[in-house]
Amino acid sequence: DAGVTQSPTHLIKTRGQQVTLRCSPKSGHDTVSWYQQALGQGPQFIFQYYEEEERQRGNFPDRFSGHQFPNYSSELNVNALLLGDSALYLCASSLGDINQPQHFGDGTRLSIL
Amino acid sequence: DAKTTQPNSMESNEEEPVHLPCNHSTISGTDYIHWYRQLPSQGPEYVIHGLTSNVNNRMASLAIAEDRKSSTLILHRATLRDAAVYYCILRDSANAGGTSYGKLTFGQGTILTVHP
Repeated sequence: DAGVTQSPTHLIKTRGQQVTLRCSPKSGHDTVSWYQQALGQGPQFIFQYYEEEERQRGNFPDRFSGHQFPNYSSELNVNALLLGDSALYLCASSLGDINQPQHFGDGTRLSIL
Repeated sequence: DAKTTQPNSMESNEEEPVHLPCNHSTISGTDYIHWYRQLPSQGPEYVIHGLTSNVNNRMASLAIAEDRKSSTLILHRATLRDAAVYYCILRDSANAGGTSYGKLTFGQGTILTVHP
């Protein structure tokens, strides 16, 4: 049973570009959350998707957007990249209930030059 | 969001018990206490969670104070593989359509070093 998979594992972009990161949830999970983790910091919540809609959002600008597909997979899009967007981007899936743990992928390392 | 306070780092010897403390004095009645850990170069991994009563699973035990203002994660016999950053998190309980859900708000965590 595959866990949460993310692609790509590493990515290098330049300022001003746009990027799309992808996430496949653990089998049977219907909720996907995205987190940003800067070096040496804990992960910061970006947003959560359930039934193809964003249902909770953290303190991130509109440059960060997402999508969830009917098969529950998800994408994170970041426009107009800034140097400060360099981070590890983590995807987590769950069954949506607060009693259910979130299962994390190993992330996409995004570097902005 | 309710905040948690953890020591920056702790050390242990292999095969000894480890008690990782967490203070959460502003916890609300509906906040669950979750623990996750993050091994080097990996995403966070769920360890355990509880509401009011102490909890045990195959990985660890969670002891919750009677007033719920603090908790302790207990690793009964530390191994080298337990070296990680441990995060104590109060799960924000928001409701929609009768289903509870909530983001995870991570702090800095405790860096646990295990010595052979």
